Amino acid sequence: QKEVEQNSGPLSVPEGAIASLNCTYSDRGSQSFFWYRQYSGKSPELIMFIYSNGDKEDGRFTAQLNKASQYVSLLIRDSQPSDSATYLCAVSRGGYSTLTFGKGTMLLVSP
Amino acid sequence: DTGVSQDPRHKITKRGQNVTFRCDPISEHNRLYWYRQTLGQGPEFLTYFQNEAQLEKSRLLSDRFSAERPKGSFSTLEIQRTEQGDSAMYLCASTPPGTGGSDTQYFGPGTRLTVL
Repeated sequence: QKEVEQNSGPLSVPEGAIASLNCTYSDRGSQSFFWYRQYSGKSPELIMFIYSNGDKEDGRFTAQLNKASQYVSLLIRDSQPSDSATYLCAVSRGGYSTLTFGKGTMLLVSP
Repeated sequence: DTGVSQDPRHKITKRGQNVTFRCDPISEHNRLYWYRQTLGQGPEFLTYFQNEAQLEKSRLLSDRFSAERPKGSFSTLEIQRTEQGDSAMYLCASTPPGTGGSDTQYFGPGTRLTVL
């Protein structure tokens, strides 16, 4: 069974710090990896996607992928209170296949 | 608004009633997905359309659930004889056509169903 594991948190960081969110997956056939942000009562909003091993940066966000370790992470630099949300890790086999989501990690950024 | 839209945003119904939700994907997105999300869980896949063809259904989709996308544009998800366990957020997502690789899904605002 395909599984995506995330620490449910909450992960608490002070404003301005780096938040590190982690995700592991069980399906070695996974090809595409996504991070979504979800505010309470709202739908998931895409933050980043990554397909290749290594780092991918977009503004304050950096996604890291290690396929050998089946590990994906998201770093948020200069964390802001507005970053407080649940972060969902999702994986797919690519080729327009469906997404398998983790349960999400709640991030709390304190002013 | 050029994003995915869903209607209604909220639905309260009594156990045993039928409900129908609608999803309008982003214009020209030919792939459409339905997910269900309960409190404290990530979204779970229900079904997937490419144009008007329903290509995949999860085993979560019991016989009481049916989905259509008759003209390859909007989609409907119907739940018959609702049960309290059907209470959840129902999410629709779409992806654009392409030659492979990009399978990024964009989500609509969701329909929150409460079954009393």
